[in-house]
Amino acid sequence: NAGVTQTPKFQVLKTGQSMTLQCAQDMNHNSMYWYRQDPGMGLRLIYYSASEGTTDKGEVPNGYNVSRLNKREFSLRLESAAPSQTSVYFCASTLKAYNEQFFGPGTRLTVL
Amino acid sequence: AQSVTQLGSHVSVSEGALVLLRCNYSSSVPPYLFWYVQYPNQGLQLLLKYTSAATLVKGINGFEAEFKKSETSFHLTKPSAHMSDAAEYFCAVSEYRGSNYKLTFGKGTLLTVNP
Repeated sequence: NAGVTQTPKFQVLKTGQSMTLQCAQDMNHNSMYWYRQDPGMGLRLIYYSASEGTTDKGEVPNGYNVSRLNKREFSLRLESAAPSQTSVYFCASTLKAYNEQFFGPGTRLTVL
Repeated sequence: AQSVTQLGSHVSVSEGALVLLRCNYSSSVPPYLFWYVQYPNQGLQLLLKYTSAATLVKGINGFEAEFKKSETSFHLTKPSAHMSDAAEYFCAVSEYRGSNYKLTFGKGTLLTVNP
């Protein structure tokens, strides 16, 4: 099992460009999450999907959109990137929402 | 609202010394509690979890944590630090809010181990 995989690992964008971060899990988990990590801020939830076909906003959803493509895949889209979105993005998944989450290796995004 | 407080953004210990990382939470009901570790340039890895069974929870790499309801604390300890323990540690609390469980992270504690 690969667990949770994320692509790309690194990305540099110019202000205003768009991109999609991809996440996939092979553990047959129901719930998937997108977080951003900034120094001194811990992890903050952007969006989550409790089950296939549903998505909900987290703590910091502005400037992002998500798609739960199927049970395995959950993508995060930046329509018009801003320097404030420079961060490390983590995808996570869990079988049951109260259980521990399993994290991907992260995507380091820089917006110039 | 749920909140998690990790006391000390940076803790430094000598190799072989006791490691104590503090975590306090605010919750009206006993939550699910977790400690995660993050090594440089990696994702988060679960160290241990409390799910209302034993109050003393043992995790990987010799770490353990004790749930104290009266103190709303879930501090992480290890009797003897090793150089390989140098990493950032996050306390997290899962609580049912609205229509789903939400996981709230503390801001993290960076552990440095000195030779």
